[in-house]
Amino acid sequence: DTAVSQTPKYLVTQMGNDKSIKCEQNLGHDTMYWYKQDSKKFLKIMFSYNNKELIINETVPNRFSPKSPDKAHLNLHINSLELGDSAVYFCASSLAGMHEQYFGPGTRLTVT
Amino acid sequence: GENVEQHPSTLSVQEGDSAVIKCTYSDSASNYFPWYKQELGKGPQLIIDIRSNVGEKKDQRIAVTLNKTAKHFSLHITETQPEDSAVYFCAASRGTNFGNEKLTFGTGTRLTIIP
Repeated sequence: DTAVSQTPKYLVTQMGNDKSIKCEQNLGHDTMYWYKQDSKKFLKIMFSYNNKELIINETVPNRFSPKSPDKAHLNLHINSLELGDSAVYFCASSLAGMHEQYFGPGTRLTVT
Repeated sequence: GENVEQHPSTLSVQEGDSAVIKCTYSDSASNYFPWYKQELGKGPQLIIDIRSNVGEKKDQRIAVTLNKTAKHFSLHITETQPEDSAVYFCAASRGTNFGNEKLTFGTGTRLTIIP
């Protein structure tokens, strides 16, 4: 009965590689988000999608490309990974206009 | 854009005592203020929230107060228990359109309950 799920939970990769993180929600929400939490625990929004349409793009490098195949899924693809991309990435979802956002368990990305 | 400041960054409280965490925000158009609890290795969990048309909200041992004039809001936890130990985040949002409910987070407070 997981509400917001992410895979993988841990991702270790080398600089220059391309990787993807997947997110799925079964809450019937129509808006999904990606947040980045750095080593100091600071949480910052990256993207939001509403009904598969990109709504928020917070000046994230072009190497990050979100994709929403349907309302229940929002994936994050990262090209040419850099050391500074190491962080925990959280997916979240909400019902548009209702504010409450529910977060997934996070994906810890380590770039070596 | 919105800026949310949170204090203190760490807080140690004796079990059974109360804990208070305070946040200030900069955007007077912000209208939604949630609090999240993040346990080690887990995602943030929404524990309580308040909207700008309300001054106070309670849910069992936790309460949130909002002062719109001063642009600050606070989390109060009473009768603290060891399981309250976690990192707490405040956030603010001004979204009114579809998909525009962007949360701006505070920097977090690590709360430790001393048995």
